[in-house]
Amino acid sequence: DQQVKQNSPSLSVQEGRISILNCDYTNSMFDYFLWYKKYPAEGPTFLISISSIKDKNEDGRFTVFLNKSAKHLSLHIVPSQPGDSAVYFCAAPGSSGSARQLTFGSGTQLTVLP
Amino acid sequence: NAGVMQNPRHLVRRRGQEARLRCSPMKGHSHVYWYRQLPEEGLKFMVYLQKENIIDESGMPKERFSAEFPKEGPSILRIQQVVRGDSAAYFCASSAGPSNTGELFFGEGSRLTVL
Repeated sequence: DQQVKQNSPSLSVQEGRISILNCDYTNSMFDYFLWYKKYPAEGPTFLISISSIKDKNEDGRFTVFLNKSAKHLSLHIVPSQPGDSAVYFCAAPGSSGSARQLTFGSGTQLTVLP
Repeated sequence: NAGVMQNPRHLVRRRGQEARLRCSPMKGHSHVYWYRQLPEEGLKFMVYLQKENIIDESGMPKERFSAEFPKEGPSILRIQQVVRGDSAAYFCASSAGPSNTGELFFGEGSRLTVL
């Protein structure tokens, strides 16, 4: 039972353009959502989060949008840079709502072409 | 400036052998989490520990897997009698206190290959 889904396994974008990564969820009780970024042979690193009481959170080139009625969130990267090429995971607190464990999507491989 | 340290980075075992993965949390962190990533999948929570205590092991397989975080030394994830399906990347993360924001600091992972 996947509570957090990323339906696009990969995305290619030209340098300087916008990258939009999508994530759908099923549990309307999640308190917050997070995006993690992962380079090959490294562990995931926290990128940005959003509380469920907000619909947008911005940090530099990264903006996360939350559409609660659609149970959908997206990560926008603009302008995209080659160094942004990585796997991006969306995540949410565990099924019990506990912050002790995160449920991750399967990830989207972003490739930014120079 | 040590982050979360995991070793070994790569481990090869034959079916039936034991695998031990070690994790030293970031300095000042006393909460450790283990996650597993199977090929083509996202990370799956396994266990959450504090020093000398297992707080939440709801993600651990019922058999062959165990974890500890002793008073001294690293946290250890132990897999007995490994099978091919155990081949995965095992990530450890740490936090200073209970993570109420979901922001965890991950190590680089240990990649287990079972032949």
